[in-house]
Amino acid sequence: DSGVTQTPKHLITATGQRVTLRCSPRSGDLSVYWYQQSLDQGLQFLIQYYNGEERAKGNILERFSAQQFPDLHSELNLSSLELGDSALYFCASSVAGGTANTGELFFGEGSRLTVL
Amino acid sequence: AQKVTQAQTEISVVEKEDVTLDCVYETRDTTYYLFWYKQPPSGELVFLIRRNSFDEQNEISGRYSWNFQKSTSSFNFTITASQVVDSAVYFCALISYGSSNTGKLIFGQGTTLQVKP
Repeated sequence: DSGVTQTPKHLITATGQRVTLRCSPRSGDLSVYWYQQSLDQGLQFLIQYYNGEERAKGNILERFSAQQFPDLHSELNLSSLELGDSALYFCASSVAGGTANTGELFFGEGSRLTVL
Repeated sequence: AQKVTQAQTEISVVEKEDVTLDCVYETRDTTYYLFWYKQPPSGELVFLIRRNSFDEQNEISGRYSWNFQKSTSSFNFTITASQVVDSAVYFCALISYGSSNTGKLIFGQGTTLQVKP
């Protein structure tokens, strides 16, 4: 158990819909990262938040957005869903962000999104 | 730009064989960390090891060993006497720190290891 909690574990929805994935980081971790794992793209970094502020942005589509709340949990919002958005979405947390981040991320079990 | 390449997409071995998973990385920065993660069939990502760019000492942990060579920009992972439970997808990853430091963990495409009984 990494200490990172992601909900829901599985989600099936239709094209055009909107979903929200939730992540609770490990206690004490200030950074939250979102990754997308699909068959053709592998593990892709989407976005990072550190203590409520966006720290880094990767290959995140404009239809996707995220935020980190004062209690440090994070949500990833996916809208206007397409078939290609079907993937496993991981959340990870670490104590620090940026230069203080030595990279040991703790991953949640992932949220598997299926878009039909 | 930073990049991690795992050239082996899939490897299949028979139990008790040794197997080496290759990882080649690219970065212009002198400070970086390299990682291996394991993703078993259940799907979660499990941290295996972290090495920093200033420590080229190889590491052994039980049946696992890692060979870090800066000269060839490689960070290979060897499993000795493989077991069926080693069957998983293994990811090599890199965090690189320089002028564009963002703390992003960049993953390779992963190597699927199948260990047959």
